[in-house]
Amino acid sequence: AQKITQTQPGMFVQEKEAVTLDCTYDTSDPSYGLFWYKQPSSGEMIFLIYQGSYDQQNATEGRYSLNFQKARKSANLVISASQLGDSAMYFCAMREGGTGGFKTIFGAGTRLFVKA
Amino acid sequence: NAGVTQTPKFRILKIGQSMTLQCAQDMNHNYMYWYRQDPGMGLKLIYYSVGAGITDKGEVPNGYNVSRSTTEDFPLRLELAAPSQTSVYFCASTSGEKLLFGSGTQLSVL
Repeated sequence: AQKITQTQPGMFVQEKEAVTLDCTYDTSDPSYGLFWYKQPSSGEMIFLIYQGSYDQQNATEGRYSLNFQKARKSANLVISASQLGDSAMYFCAMREGGTGGFKTIFGAGTRLFVKA
Repeated sequence: NAGVTQTPKFRILKIGQSMTLQCAQDMNHNYMYWYRQDPGMGLKLIYYSVGAGITDKGEVPNGYNVSRSTTEDFPLRLELAAPSQTSVYFCASTSGEKLLFGSGTQLSVL
């Protein structure tokens, strides 16, 4: 069965430091996608980064990188040089199946607090 | 190109009332989704659709119904509202690899 687990309800990080948000997943489908979304206090869902199960290299998008360890079924988000505006909820998500659709489920989220 | 549009943004219902949450996208996306987000929690998938005329249940479908008569529209129906359905509802469609979300509907059932 498809499952996403985020074990850190809350995290604190000092401004300008790096932080890692944990995500583990479970699926029997060899083709899947992993995502991270940011939800600021305004409530909107903002796409951050995507990793396909067949991608050989870890995905990067600016200050965001996804540490994909397939054998461990983990997809941790690394935010480098944290900024005050990074304070938000962060959700890991997984989509089973081929490109473009099928079910996407979300983890419970991690609330990140960036300290000045 | 307006993206994913949800209406209404806020609604208060009495127990037992019915309503339809509207969702529309003008990007010709085949895949559309309804999620609910309870306070302080993650998103739970209610229903999804892979194209006009095709819908399927997600993680928490009880108490809801959907239809997909056109590619553009994917309404979510609550037949007999219950306090447990108080939540924020998000509609989304697939844009390339990612989900593109609407701005959400905050629903309170009192």
